[in-house]
Amino acid sequence: DAMVIQNPRYQVTQFGKPVTLSCSQTLNHNVMYWYQQKSSQAPKLLFHYYDKDFNNEADTPDNFQSRRPNTSFCFLDIRSPGLGDAAMYLCATSMSTGLGEQYFGPGTRLTVT
Amino acid sequence: SQQGEEDPQALSIQEGENATMNCSYKTSINNLQWYRQNSGRGLVHLILIRSNEREKHSGRLRVTLDTSKKSSSLLITASRAADTASYFCATIQNQFYFGTGTSLTVIP
Repeated sequence: DAMVIQNPRYQVTQFGKPVTLSCSQTLNHNVMYWYQQKSSQAPKLLFHYYDKDFNNEADTPDNFQSRRPNTSFCFLDIRSPGLGDAAMYLCATSMSTGLGEQYFGPGTRLTVT
Repeated sequence: SQQGEEDPQALSIQEGENATMNCSYKTSINNLQWYRQNSGRGLVHLILIRSNEREKHSGRLRVTLDTSKKSSSLLITASRAADTASYFCATIQNQFYFGTGTSLTVIP
């Protein structure tokens, strides 16, 4: 049974064209996270939501925004993708902030042309 | 940065051998977790060890934690080809910080 679902799995967008990645969860977890992972690197936390409270990492570019309309869904919006934004984007959930296990989706591979 | 450093960066072993990966970190933690990532996929949680624990087992996995040295190790015993993946430690204080990862290849 899928628990954290990401759509689409592969996304191609043009340089500067806004793109939205989506994540949904069936776990009813409080916290949802977005990570960026470039090839052969560690996942880098972009931001997270604790319920409706949005927490942005200090070094996350303004080009990246997020929305969480309800408990189940969370979106990552990239307003003007650059070539350097090509990466795997991972969504994760957890029951509480910082201490427990995170459950990851399969990721969305973003290509910028 | 709190990010953990893992070594080796890459490890190649024969099926049946044991694989050991190490993780070092910089500040105090609540707990430390190990994750596995198959190529092009999301991460899967393997094991969590709390800051007051020294060793933990789960099946073929053994994790140790030395808070005085700020280091942890993951041992996979009797490795299988299916264990081929990248392994990340994640240190948890108030936030999650993933280590740089070890790429493990198990040769059949």
